[in-house]
Amino acid sequence: AQTVTQSQPEMSVQEAETVTLSCTYDTSESDYYLFWYKQPPSRQMILVIRQEAYKQQNATENRFSVNFQKAAKSFSLKISDSQLGDAAMYFCAYRSAGAQKLVFGQGTRLTINP
Amino acid sequence: DTGVSQDPRHKITKRGQNVTFRCDPISEHNRLYWYRQTLGQGPEFLTYFQNEAQLEKSRLLSDRFSAERPKGSFSTLEIQRTEQGDSAMYLCASSSPQGLAVYEQYFGPGTRLTVT
Repeated sequence: AQTVTQSQPEMSVQEAETVTLSCTYDTSESDYYLFWYKQPPSRQMILVIRQEAYKQQNATENRFSVNFQKAAKSFSLKISDSQLGDAAMYFCAYRSAGAQKLVFGQGTRLTINP
Repeated sequence: DTGVSQDPRHKITKRGQNVTFRCDPISEHNRLYWYRQTLGQGPEFLTYFQNEAQLEKSRLLSDRFSAERPKGSFSTLEIQRTEQGDSAMYLCASSSPQGLAVYEQYFGPGTRLTVT
């Protein structure tokens, strides 16, 4: 079974600085998708960024980018120019190309210091 | 597009009672998912529908849990004889196989269940 591990329960960063959240996963499959979801306090989960495993180029969405290392099974999220609104729980998630369910990590709580 | 909605948002019940939650997906999304999220943890998959057919169930979905999507639109999740261990946030998500964000799952706000 696939597993996703986020080894940083909490992270904090100064406003306008850059922070990197770590994620590793375990799978024997070669075709899959990886996601970062953001869950603000008392609000619903939203997708931040997605990476297809067959793509070598790292995904980027505005201030958010990933470092996808397929051989190392690592998928980190970099947030540049951190803003107060970035404060949330961040979940790394895996989905096999042949399946529908998402497998989530334990989450990292990100605090932005003004 | 009103997003995924869930009702109720909060439910407090006594141990042994039955509860039912409702999820309304984004219109025209044919896939619907239920997840459970306990405090401080990531969501765990419970079950998934494509239209009205329930295609996958997790082993977490014990025989006290049942989910339906009778007309391929809204879905209900029922928990019978609730136990304190059922206390959690129950999340619903939906997705469509079309468009650029293929299979992206859109989440609702969740129903927080507290069993006393």
